[in-house]
Amino acid sequence: NAGVTQTPKFQVLKTGQSMTLQCAQDMNHNSMYWYRQDPGMGLRLIYYSASEGTTDKGEVPNGYNVSRLNKREFSLRLESAAPSQTSVYFCASSEAHGRLAKNIQYFGAGTRLSVL
Amino acid sequence: AQKITQTQPGMFVQEKEAVTLDCTYDTSDPSYGLFWYKQPSSGEMIFLIYQGSYDQQNATEGRYSLNFQKARKSANLVISASQLGDSAMYFCAMREGGEKLIFGQGTELSVKP
Repeated sequence: NAGVTQTPKFQVLKTGQSMTLQCAQDMNHNSMYWYRQDPGMGLRLIYYSASEGTTDKGEVPNGYNVSRLNKREFSLRLESAAPSQTSVYFCASSEAHGRLAKNIQYFGAGTRLSVL
Repeated sequence: AQKITQTQPGMFVQEKEAVTLDCTYDTSDPSYGLFWYKQPSSGEMIFLIYQGSYDQQNATEGRYSLNFQKARKSANLVISASQLGDSAMYFCAMREGGEKLIFGQGTELSVKP
């Protein structure tokens, strides 16, 4: 059972380059999320998608775009990478069955991105 | 204001002893959930335990238990009989009503042999 799969695991970019981080889940979850983790900080939500075809901004959306391609896949795009976007990026998914449900989020292994 | 506060940047515990990792939260939403995740040095985020705001009893999952004190807005993680493999970063997180998680800054736990 693969769970949440992220690609690539590592990436080095030059300032101004673009790239797309890929995420896929095989748990038939409705909701998917992108977080970034910086040293000494917890995870911060970039964007999330409550269902196929919908996306919403999180706490730190500037400089990013997302696409919920289908129920399984949720990609994160950096159009013009900046050194401030050097971070570890995590994708997560959850069943999301309403306010009183657990809605446990399950995470991928992360992508370590360096922007020079 | 911080919604999730973990006041212990680092903790040490002797193998086989119990340890408590602190977490306090701030919300006015009556419907919320509290989570603990473990992040070993390999980097993945592993779900440990969940406590809902309406749950009457403290959550337990094997050696993990959550000491939920609603009036104090605290949700401390208790790990019993610590093992060397418990050495990791531990994150407390809160979900308010909807789906978004807010994470604390984490506590680094080191288990000594």
